Amino acid sequence: DADVTQTPRNRITKTGKRIMLECSQTKGHDRMYWYRQDPGLGLRLIYYSFDVKDINKGEISDGYSVSRQAQAKFSLSLESAIPNQTALYFCATSGTSGGKETQYFGPGTRLLVL
Amino acid sequence: QKEVEQNSGPLSVPEGAIASLNCTYSDRGSQSFFWYRQYSGKSPELIMFIYSNGDKEDGRFTAQLNKASQYVSLLIRDSQPSDSATYLCAVRNSGAGSYQLTFGKGTKLSVIP
Repeated sequence: DADVTQTPRNRITKTGKRIMLECSQTKGHDRMYWYRQDPGLGLRLIYYSFDVKDINKGEISDGYSVSRQAQAKFSLSLESAIPNQTALYFCATSGTSGGKETQYFGPGTRLLVL
Repeated sequence: QKEVEQNSGPLSVPEGAIASLNCTYSDRGSQSFFWYRQYSGKSPELIMFIYSNGDKEDGRFTAQLNKASQYVSLLIRDSQPSDSATYLCAVRNSGAGSYQLTFGKGTKLSVIP
C-alpha cells in the first residue's frame, strides 16, 4: 500500500461549491503539506502542519482552509471553488531519512472547477 | 522571497549521452538540496539529496553542490528514454522556515532514442 494516499484522485466541481480533498499517511510523519501545481508555475505551498495543533499558511492560502484531524490525516477544503483553483493538488509528508529531513508526495488530486 | 531558478527546457539529449540539469538558489543560508523527478501527470519522486559541497553519486545520477556560487546540478549518465521527465530542484529554507522546501519550476528533459 502507498505511504501517502489522496482522495479523490480526480474531481470536477462547479463554481461556488465546497469541496474537500483528503490526505492520509502511514509513514508516521508529524509534518504534512498541501501544494498546488500549475503549468509554468511549479509547486506552490498552500498550508502546512507540524503536528495536530500546529497549522500554518503557505505562499497561497487565500480561498483554502485545512484541518489536521490526526497525525495521519490532513484535509484541504475549498470553501467556494472558483475556476482559477483548477490545478493538480499534492499532499506531502516529511520526516527523517538517513538522518536528514525529506519530503514525500502523495499521488495527487486533479481538480477541475467549471 | 526565496527563489529557486531552473531552465525550463526542454532539454533534449540523445540516448546514452550525459544530461546536465542546473539550478540556482537565492537563500544563502540553505543547507539541504533535493532533486525530484516528475513524470507527466504523476507526483514528484525524490531521486537525490545533497548537503555538502562537492559531488554525490547514486547509480547513473550525480548531484553537484557549490554553496559559494549558490548552484546545484544533476548529471544523468547514459541517459535512457525512461529518464524523460521534468526534474524539480528543491531547496530547504534556512531559519524559521526550515521545514519548508522552495521548488524551482522544473526542467523538462527529453531523451531521444
